[in-house]
Amino acid sequence: AQTVTQSQPEMSVQEAETVTLSCTYDTSESDYYLFWYKQPPSRQMILVIRQEAYKQQNATENRFSVNFQKAAKSFSLKISDSQLGDAAMYFCAYRSAYNFNKFYFGSGTKLNVKP
Amino acid sequence: DVKVTQSSRYLVKRTGEKVFLECVQDMDHENMFWYRQDPGLGLRLIYFSYDVKMKEKGDIPEGYSVSREKKERFSLILESASTNQTSMYLCASSFPEHTGELFFGEGSRLTVL
Repeated sequence: AQTVTQSQPEMSVQEAETVTLSCTYDTSESDYYLFWYKQPPSRQMILVIRQEAYKQQNATENRFSVNFQKAAKSFSLKISDSQLGDAAMYFCAYRSAYNFNKFYFGSGTKLNVKP
Repeated sequence: DVKVTQSSRYLVKRTGEKVFLECVQDMDHENMFWYRQDPGLGLRLIYFSYDVKMKEKGDIPEGYSVSREKKERFSLILESASTNQTSMYLCASSFPEHTGELFFGEGSRLTVL
C-alpha cells in the first residue's frame, strides 16, 4: 500500500513570510495524483492544490505552489506572503490513477501564522 | 458550490449506545466516504460507497457499518459505541473520475464515555 509521510507535525511562520511544508510518499505506481488539503480550526477541509504525476510543471494556485520531485517522491507545498487565514492543519494526500477511490493521507502539519 | 452536510457537529454518547452519523451531499456525487481523523494519524478510511446500496470496507471498518439507501445520503453506524471510537469523523464525496477531488463535511466530533 502507498504511504504518505509528513515529517513536520507543527510549523510557524511570520505573517508575510514564506513557508514550505514537506511531504514524501512511497509508491510503485507510475501514474497518480497528489493533493494538499487545508483544514482550518473547526471548519471543513478544502482542497488547496492538486498535481498530476504525469505533468512535469509544478502546480500553482495564487500564493500556493508545489515542488513536485517525482524521482525523489517528494511533494512540498510553498505558501508565499503568509496570511493569518493560512493558519490550519495541512494534509498531503495521494490518489492512485488506477483506483480512484483510494486516497492516502499524511498525518498532517499544523501551521501557525504569527502576526 | 458543493455542500456536504454532516448532521451533528458534536455528540456525546455512552459506551454500548448505538450511534448514527449522517451525511448528505448535494452534488449528485456517486462516491461517498467516511473517514476517521485522529491526531498524528491523519485520515483513515472506514468505508466508502460507490453507488446506492453499494459499499466497500476501508482500512479500519471494525466496529462500524454503513448505509446508503439514497444517492445523496451516507450514514455511519456504530452498533455499540466504545471509548476507543472517540474521534473526529469526516464525511466526503466525489465523482468517480481521475480528477475527482474529495469534498468534505465539517466533521462530527464524537465522545464516548
